[in-house]
Amino acid sequence: NAGVTQTPKFQVLKTGQSMTLQCAQDMNHEYMSWYRQDPGMGLRLIHYSVGAGITDQGEVPNGYNVSRSTTEDFPLRLLSAAPSQTSVYFCASSYSGARGLREQYFGPGTRLTVT
Amino acid sequence: GENVEQHPSTLSVQEGDSAVIKCTYSDSASNYFPWYKQELGKGPQLIIDIRSNVGEKKDQRIAVTLNKTAKHFSLHITETQPEDSAVYFCAASRGAAGNKLTFGGGTRVLVKP
Repeated sequence: NAGVTQTPKFQVLKTGQSMTLQCAQDMNHEYMSWYRQDPGMGLRLIHYSVGAGITDQGEVPNGYNVSRSTTEDFPLRLLSAAPSQTSVYFCASSYSGARGLREQYFGPGTRLTVT
Repeated sequence: GENVEQHPSTLSVQEGDSAVIKCTYSDSASNYFPWYKQELGKGPQLIIDIRSNVGEKKDQRIAVTLNKTAKHFSLHITETQPEDSAVYFCAASRGAAGNKLTFGGGTRVLVKP
């Protein structure tokens, strides 16, 4: 299994541009999430999905859209990039087991700079 | 919502010594507390977790303790090695929503040979 993959690894955008960060997992996990990581602030939840066709907002959803048309893919869209969205973005997936949700598996991250 | 505080922000220890990282949480309904290790340029990786019905859990050189009354939990690393150098994050979540983690700010651990 490749686990959780993210593309691109690095991206530079100009203010106002839009783009999509890609995330895919091949573990048949039903749960997927997007986090952003800023220095000294840990990771903050942007959006999450509990299954195909179902998404919900996390702690910091403004400026981002998500969709979940398949179990494998969970893209994150930046509608109009702003310098405040400069960050490292992590996608994660997990599955439910007999004892509830299990370990979240994180992708390698996308480092985004908005100028 | 949940708020997780983590201390210290940096920790330097001699190889072989122990390292302790402490976290406090605000939501008494939180019942799942994972710890993640993040190496440079990589995503976080789970190293140990504990649920609210357990007070302590060990895995080789790593242990986690949980005090539900005081709403704090700690990570203990014994016999530290240079490969333990990384950033460590604590997190908390409630119920079946284990994918909605609230993270602490992280602790950068440096193990000096």
